[in-house]
Amino acid sequence: QITLKESGPTLVKPTQTLTLTCTFSGFSLSTSGVCVGWIRQPPGKALEWLALIYWNDDKRYSPSLKSRLTITKDTSRNQVVLTMTNVDPVDTATYYCAHAPEYPEAYFDSWGQGALVTVSS
Amino acid sequence: SYVLTQPPSVSVAPGKTARITCGGNNLGSKSVNWYQQKPGHAPMLVIYYNGDRPSGIPERFSGSNSRNTATLTISRVEAGDEADYYCQVWDSTIDHHVVFGGGTKLTVL
Repeated sequence: QITLKESGPTLVKPTQTLTLTCTFSGFSLSTSGVCVGWIRQPPGKALEWLALIYWNDDKRYSPSLKSRLTITKDTSRNQVVLTMTNVDPVDTATYYCAHAPEYPEAYFDSWGQGALVTVSS
Repeated sequence: SYVLTQPPSVSVAPGKTARITCGGNNLGSKSVNWYQQKPGHAPMLVIYYNGDRPSGIPERFSGSNSRNTATLTISRVEAGDEADYYCQVWDSTIDHHVVFGGGTKLTVL
């Protein structure tokens, strides 16, 4: 059974850097073809994909946010970390991490419960 | 970048068939995935690769994709199907990345 859980701060000040951790079980990020992605959802709005990291350390980023995002993995700890620099109130959202079983055309078959992050001074 | 267009809302009576569309340029050449999201919950995959169902998803859920439109069809709609539905593709036309549609709110009358 695959499980994922997001963790990180619930409140971040504008211009700060947001760091979110996805801790997962039930699969290994060293298995060929596997990847983990981050998706966010502002309150009352649609899903927005942010980033992906594959088992081979290949990485993909949303074109509109690429300059602010970094995704990394720690295979031994079963964790994926997303950092977002220079946050703004518009970055207030629920942030999800999700497992994708195929390379490279990702679809997300297991999701974490989500972590609400508020950006406010 | 690639854009997926969904109607904001669809309404259907219980027991009837709901069809939720997702439009995109030459969408038929891509694999479309669909997610269901109920209030306060994470999204759940209901269709992948245009028409495949994950285990546990009822046969009432089906998908198709042709030319510029993909369709999620829910037969014999139940009250529990009321949710937001999102389509998603992998875009490799210029850059390689994930794209979500804007979502459709399905209301069961």
